[in-house]
Amino acid sequence: NAGVMQNPRHLVRRRGQEARLRCSPMKGHSHVYWYRQLPEEGLKFMVYLQKENIIDESGMPKERFSAEFPKEGPSILRIQQVVRGDSAAYFCASSPWVLAGESRTDTQYFGPGTRLTVL
Amino acid sequence: TQLLEQSPQFLSIQEGENLTVYCNSSSVFSSLQWYRQEPGEGPVLLVTVVTGGEVKKLKRLTFQFGDARKDSSLHITAAQPGDTGLYLCAGVRAGKSTFGDGTTLTVKP
Repeated sequence: NAGVMQNPRHLVRRRGQEARLRCSPMKGHSHVYWYRQLPEEGLKFMVYLQKENIIDESGMPKERFSAEFPKEGPSILRIQQVVRGDSAAYFCASSPWVLAGESRTDTQYFGPGTRLTVL
Repeated sequence: TQLLEQSPQFLSIQEGENLTVYCNSSSVFSSLQWYRQEPGEGPVLLVTVVTGGEVKKLKRLTFQFGDARKDSSLHITAAQPGDTGLYLCAGVRAGKSTFGDGTTLTVKP
C-alpha cells in the first residue's frame, strides 16, 4: 500500500449530498483505477484513468458518478446526490503499466480506501 | 457473469494446518495477482505470476499459475494466526483487472 494515498479515510454524507473521494497515485504511476467493495465481497471495477483521459468506465453507474485524473493533482471520484446504496469502501489503485517481455503486467498497488457512509 | 471464481469462499482452520485456495476461470489472462486484505485496509500485493506453469514461493506461501493461464492456486503451509485475512486473486486480460470475490481465511491459535 505504500505510496498510494486516499483521503478522506472515512466520509459521512446525508442522502442527496455530494461525496468527493481523492486518490494520489504512487510516484511515477500514471494509471489510476477505482473500485468499490461491499462488506465481505471482492472488489468491483469502476473506472480506469490515465492522466486527463478516461480509458475504461464500464463499471461506473451511468448516473451520479464521475471520475477525473487531471494533469496536475489527485484523481477524484465524485458521487452526486448520494443514496444509502452508495455506502461502501472505495479503493483506488495505481499502476506503472510495465511491459515484461511480450506480456503486459498490470500490477496494481492499492491505497487504504475511503469508507463512505450515507445516512 | 463472474469471470473469476475463488474457492472456498470461507475457510477456518487450526494453526499449523495446510490449506489451498483456488482461483479459476474460463478466460486466459496475461497475468494474475494475489492480494491479501485485512479489515479496514486496502489489498496488499503478494505476488504477480505471468508465465503459464509458473510457481513462486513467498516463505510459507506457494503460488502457481496454470499451464493455460486460466487458473491459479495459493497454498499456505503451517498456517499461522497472522495469515488471517481476505485473499483476493485478480486476472489481467486486455489491460483490465478482474477480481474474484475472495477467500476469507481464519486461522485459530
